[in-house]
Amino acid sequence: DTGVSQNPRHKITKRGQNVTFRCDPISEHNRLYWYRQTLGQGPEFLTYFQNEAQLEKSRLLSDRFSAERPKGSFSTLEIQRTEQGDSAMYLCASSLSLPNTEAFFGQGTRLTVV
Amino acid sequence: GESVGLHLPTLSVQEGDNSIINCAYSNSASDYFIWYKQESGKGPQFIIDIRSNMDKRQGQRVTVLLNKTVKHLSLQIAATQPGDSAVYFCAEMDGQNFVFGPGTRLSVLP
Repeated sequence: DTGVSQNPRHKITKRGQNVTFRCDPISEHNRLYWYRQTLGQGPEFLTYFQNEAQLEKSRLLSDRFSAERPKGSFSTLEIQRTEQGDSAMYLCASSLSLPNTEAFFGQGTRLTVV
Repeated sequence: GESVGLHLPTLSVQEGDNSIINCAYSNSASDYFIWYKQESGKGPQFIIDIRSNMDKRQGQRVTVLLNKTVKHLSLQIAATQPGDSAVYFCAEMDGQNFVFGPGTRLSVLP
């Protein structure tokens, strides 16, 4: 499968715990995006990388959130001290860095904070 | 900030009929738009895109229309099938990332 891969697919955690999600983009894609989606809403942009550089972060990305893409390939999104409001689907997408090119999404990681 | 919105949160059509899903965007500077389909529990799936130098683009059973004058985007699905049941999002490119609307849930009736 050469699509965007996200792990785990589901994560249940207790409030206050840290969680980390992983995204493996399509191999030749140098742009990688993280989005968050809550029930009944469209995906909301969190951050994006061009190779290993994190070029843009949304206001939604609080200090408890950190994303890395150390070698310009896979990326991780960590949430520290999780809160119930963090419960959502976390989506990763990747694209080529050509202008006006489509982004391909993974299946997402559904986080439930109890 | 700029945003993309959708009219009609739900749409029901008879199997075999054509579907039209609409989207209004607010950033007149946007020059690239995508329609995504999202099935329950899955990530958004690319359907079709259009650049602002075009007003129409056709794919397999789908057509996207862009009216820059009124900042309106639509997705037409021909001969709608049960497998088309999903939530459809339009997204516009805002700088280097995509801004999504809230989506329209399409239900196909037998």
